Amino acid sequence: DAGVTQSPTHLIKTRGQQVTLRCSPKSGHDTVSWYQQALGQGPQFIFQYYEEEERQRGNFPDRFSGHQFPNYSSELNVNALLLGDSALYLCASSITSGAYNEQFFGPGTRLTVL
Amino acid sequence: DAKTTQPNSMESNEEEPVHLPCNHSTISGTDYIHWYRQLPSQGPEYVIHGLTSNVNNRMASLAIAEDRKSSTLILHRATLRDAAVYYCGGTTSGTYKYIFGTGTRLKVLA
Repeated sequence: DAGVTQSPTHLIKTRGQQVTLRCSPKSGHDTVSWYQQALGQGPQFIFQYYEEEERQRGNFPDRFSGHQFPNYSSELNVNALLLGDSALYLCASSITSGAYNEQFFGPGTRLTVL
Repeated sequence: DAKTTQPNSMESNEEEPVHLPCNHSTISGTDYIHWYRQLPSQGPEYVIHGLTSNVNNRMASLAIAEDRKSSTLILHRATLRDAAVYYCGGTTSGTYKYIFGTGTRLKVLA
């Protein structure tokens, strides 16, 4: 089992550009959540996808959008990048029917905005 | 959003017990409290979870206050490999929005 995989591992963009990050969940998992983790901070919930729909959203602007595909993989898109978007972006997968919804995290994508 | 708070850092000697506290008054009363830990350059890793009563697994123990507004992660014998940032977390008010605590950086001294 490959676990949760994310691509790319690192990315450098300039202000105003757009970026797409990708996530493949752990085998058997149907729910994907995205988090932003600034340096020295805890992960901040961006949104969660289930059944190809955004089920819950955190306090992030509309510049952050996502998608979930029929195979449960997911993408995070960020438009009009700002310097403050520089962070580690984490994807986590879980099973919605699970009793306690343990999340399995990928290694993250490090985004640097110049 | 009200914060889920943890001490910034703690130190422990190797082979000694460690108690890591978390105040989480905003975690829903019916949802599980989770603890994760994060090593450098890695995503968080699940440690333990609980609902109302104390829990044990091979990694740690979790003590949950009766009012569920706080919990304590207990590492019975800290090792150098336990050095990490520890986060408590859970969902809020019956939503799917997951809140992580501020995190405690645990330093284990040889």
